[in-house]
Amino acid sequence: KAGVTQTPRYLIKTRGQQVTLSCSPISGHRSVSWYQQTPGQGLQFLFEYFSETQRNKGNFPGRFSGRQFSNSRSEMNVSTLELGDSALYLCASSWTGLPNTEAFFGQGTRLTVV
Amino acid sequence: AQTVTQSQPEMSVQEAETVTLSCTYDTSESDYYLFWYKQPPSRQMILVIRQEAYKQQNATENRFSVNFQKAAKSFSLKISDSQLGDAAMYFCAYVSVINTGTASKLTFGTGTRLQVTL
Repeated sequence: KAGVTQTPRYLIKTRGQQVTLSCSPISGHRSVSWYQQTPGQGLQFLFEYFSETQRNKGNFPGRFSGRQFSNSRSEMNVSTLELGDSALYLCASSWTGLPNTEAFFGQGTRLTVV
Repeated sequence: AQTVTQSQPEMSVQEAETVTLSCTYDTSESDYYLFWYKQPPSRQMILVIRQEAYKQQNATENRFSVNFQKAAKSFSLKISDSQLGDAAMYFCAYVSVINTGTASKLTFGTGTRLQVTL
């Protein structure tokens, strides 16, 4: 079966712009989580959506937002981009979002802010 | 807040040998899961092994096994018969299962880069 698909794979944006990243989970999975990976801060949890509802949120400013559609596809949006937002953004999907079910990760979107 | 510490930024092992990656964590909770994830150059995180805190038996998956010491809050990964394809970043991660609101949030360590040499 198809894995978790993230689009686009690479993105270059200018400071002050906004960006939308997409994550298509494995068919049947209802939970989608987003993580930011940087050399300085490592892997940090952004938020998790389950059945179109945000169920958990990390410690990121309000410029970072997300949503989930009825088909479980998820998008995350970053407004007013800053240089520090340059990172690899990973999404993970699972049946329930609970740790007794495996989370499958996508290959990420590499965002560069210039 | 829970923290996960990986004190070995880099490790090296010869092919067919055994290597152990260290991980310690800090939590006041009694019910949680621990994971080891592998991130190859393709960037895709892959689950290697999972351990439930209430299970005393150490988890094993083929050549991968863990040494889970709950009292010491230690969770090391042993890779036996190392292969070239094992070369990657390895991340230790923790998740609380107090409620569904927290159970989806993985807290990761900083990672250990494993090199496998001939």
